[in-house]
Amino acid sequence: DGGITQSPKYLFRKEGQNVTLSCEQNLNHDAMYWYRQDPGQGLRLIYYSQIVNDFQKGDIAEGYSVSREKKESFPLTVTSAQKNPTAFYLCASSMRGDGELFFGEGSRLTVL
Amino acid sequence: AQSVTQPDIHITVSEGASLELRCNYSYGATPYLFWYVQSPGQGLQLLLKYFSGDTLVQGIKGFEAEFKRSQSSFNLRKPSVHWSDAAEYFCAVPPFGNEKLTFGTGTRLTIIP
Repeated sequence: DGGITQSPKYLFRKEGQNVTLSCEQNLNHDAMYWYRQDPGQGLRLIYYSQIVNDFQKGDIAEGYSVSREKKESFPLTVTSAQKNPTAFYLCASSMRGDGELFFGEGSRLTVL
Repeated sequence: AQSVTQPDIHITVSEGASLELRCNYSYGATPYLFWYVQSPGQGLQLLLKYFSGDTLVQGIKGFEAEFKRSQSSFNLRKPSVHWSDAAEYFCAVPPFGNEKLTFGTGTRLTIIP
């Protein structure tokens, strides 16, 4: 079945460590997105990519990095520069020109 | 800048009762509008979307929404809620000519027996 797979579902990290969240899609979608979700704040866009080897910063990109070397994959690295990284992270994809997003099931990151 | 507002943070409804969740948008042109639902600890699922045409849009799980330009609203409705409808609901609007969706802050729906 087509869909978006995020891993790991739960992740614990010590302060000062970088961590990479995986996002893979087999929907043949051009665009991919990373959102952060905190209680009461909705979804905030971290990074997005509309095509391979190209990506743009979203509203809260500081302390995060991404790559888009393959159409299917859009990993997110949470760096030690991110001051408050504990959150629920959602990856999504869409066809270009269509605002409908398809979401993965999320990754919950906890910094100890 | 385009934006969307969900004025209700939390709504409690009895099972079997009707439901209306509010969404107001700020947009220069006729917007595309979306409603998504999120079960606890899960990703979001599209309920319905409005692009143009009929202002009353039917979605999955028995939900519908009505686009009202005069009120800048796109409220979500369901005539009779089920316990499984307990979730968080997000309204969203893509800025014109841009792939990015802007989400509202969400409305958490609690269903009581």
